Amino acid sequence: AQSVTQLGSHVSVSEGALVLLRCNYSSSVPPYLFWYVQYPNQGLQLLLKYTSAATLVKGINGFEAEFKKSETSFHLTKPSAHMSDAAEYFCAVSGVLGGNEKLTFGTGTRLTIIP
Amino acid sequence: DGGITQSPKYLFRKEGQNVTLSCEQNLNHDAMYWYRQDPGQGLRLIYYSQIVNDFQKGDIAEGYSVSREKKESFPLTVTSAQKNPTAFYLCASSISGSGYTFGSGTRLTVV
Repeated sequence: AQSVTQLGSHVSVSEGALVLLRCNYSSSVPPYLFWYVQYPNQGLQLLLKYTSAATLVKGINGFEAEFKKSETSFHLTKPSAHMSDAAEYFCAVSGVLGGNEKLTFGTGTRLTIIP
Repeated sequence: DGGITQSPKYLFRKEGQNVTLSCEQNLNHDAMYWYRQDPGQGLRLIYYSQIVNDFQKGDIAEGYSVSREKKESFPLTVTSAQKNPTAFYLCASSISGSGYTFGSGTRLTVV
C-alpha cells in the first residue's frame, strides 16, 4: 500500500524567498512520485514527476524536487517565490490498481505569497 | 489540443434529484477516474475505469454511479442517495507511468 503525508496544510513565504513544501511517502515498492498544483476552481496540473531516472527532478515554473530514499521524502522547492505561485500543492504516490496506475494523494498544502 | 473536458462548471441540485456530470477526453487514455474534493481532505476516489464497459468502486462510491460505454466518455451520476453531495468533482485520465491529466472540475451545490 502507498500513502503520502504533506507536512503543513498552510505555508506562507515572502515574495522572493525560498519555497519549501514537504512530502513524505510510504510505499511497499519503488515509488513513482508526483507534485501537482491547483489554482482556485481549476483542476490539478502536473508540476513534476519522479520515475527513478534521476533523484533531482526539475519541473515547470522553476520548481524542483529531490527524491531521498533514506528519508522517504520528496520535498518541493523553488529558490525565489513569485506572487503567481500562490496555489494549493498536492504530492502523490503511484501504486498499481488492477494492472493500471493508481495515484494516492496527500491532503494538500496551501501556499500563500506575502508581497 | 488533447485534453479532458468537464461540464458543466457549476451545477445546482435540489434535494432528491439525480444529476449527471460529464467527462470527455480525446487523449486516447484507457483509464479514467472520478475524484471528489472537499476542503482539507484532499482528493478521494469515487470510481475508476480501466477499459470500456468496465468500472470499479473507489473509496467513496456510495450514492454515485458511472458508465463507460465509450473510451472517450466517463459520466458520473450523483444520486439522491448521496446525502452530502456538495463538493468539487474532478475527472482524470491516465496512461501508465505518466501520472494523471485532470479536467477543470465541476462544482456541485445542493440548494
